[in-house]
Amino acid sequence: ELKVEQNPLFLSMQEGKNYTIYCNYSTTSDRLYWYRQDPGKSLESLFVLLSNGAVKQEGRLMASLDTKARLSTLHITAAVHDLSATYFCAVDRTGANSKLTFGKGITLSVRP
Amino acid sequence: DADVTQTPRNRITKTGKRIMLECSQTKGHDRMYWYRQDPGLGLRLIYYSFDVKDINKGEISDGYSVSRQAQAKFSLSLESAIPNQTALYFCATSDRTVNYGYTFGSGTRLTVV
Repeated sequence: ELKVEQNPLFLSMQEGKNYTIYCNYSTTSDRLYWYRQDPGKSLESLFVLLSNGAVKQEGRLMASLDTKARLSTLHITAAVHDLSATYFCAVDRTGANSKLTFGKGITLSVRP
Repeated sequence: DADVTQTPRNRITKTGKRIMLECSQTKGHDRMYWYRQDPGLGLRLIYYSFDVKDINKGEISDGYSVSRQAQAKFSLSLESAIPNQTALYFCATSDRTVNYGYTFGSGTRLTVV
């Protein structure tokens, strides 16, 4: 059974500082996704990582994937209040039975 | 119009009532999914369908049923609603290659009293 773990589950960040959050998954997967969710809203796709060593960046967020370690990291540079949200990672596999399995999410709160 | 539309957006229902949540999409995707979100638990898969004639149970299908009326429509039913089915429900779609990822609806907030 595929399991996805995120840690920490809650992170209070100070504006201007850098942080890294982690996503581990239990079995071989083909793709890793990062989503952002604001309270009461739907999921916004941030990144799709397809291969070992993949790195993608958008603004203050940078995601990377190590398939050998089954680990993805989301690095936050110089946190700002607008980044306060819940971030989910999810994985799936290509082929006939592809479906997303989610982690529990990490809630980030940026304080002045 | 949104690519994936869920109705209703909010619903309060009583214990024991049957309720249907609807999802329609204009993406032309053949795959559709129903997820449930509870605080601190992430999103969990209830049912999924890879085409009109293919319906599969997810990890938490008990107490739910689905109907794929057409390629574009996938409905989730709670046969006899109970309070612990109070949650935020999301419908999602993907194409068979998933090259473009998954598209999520805006969600339905269901409260069972």
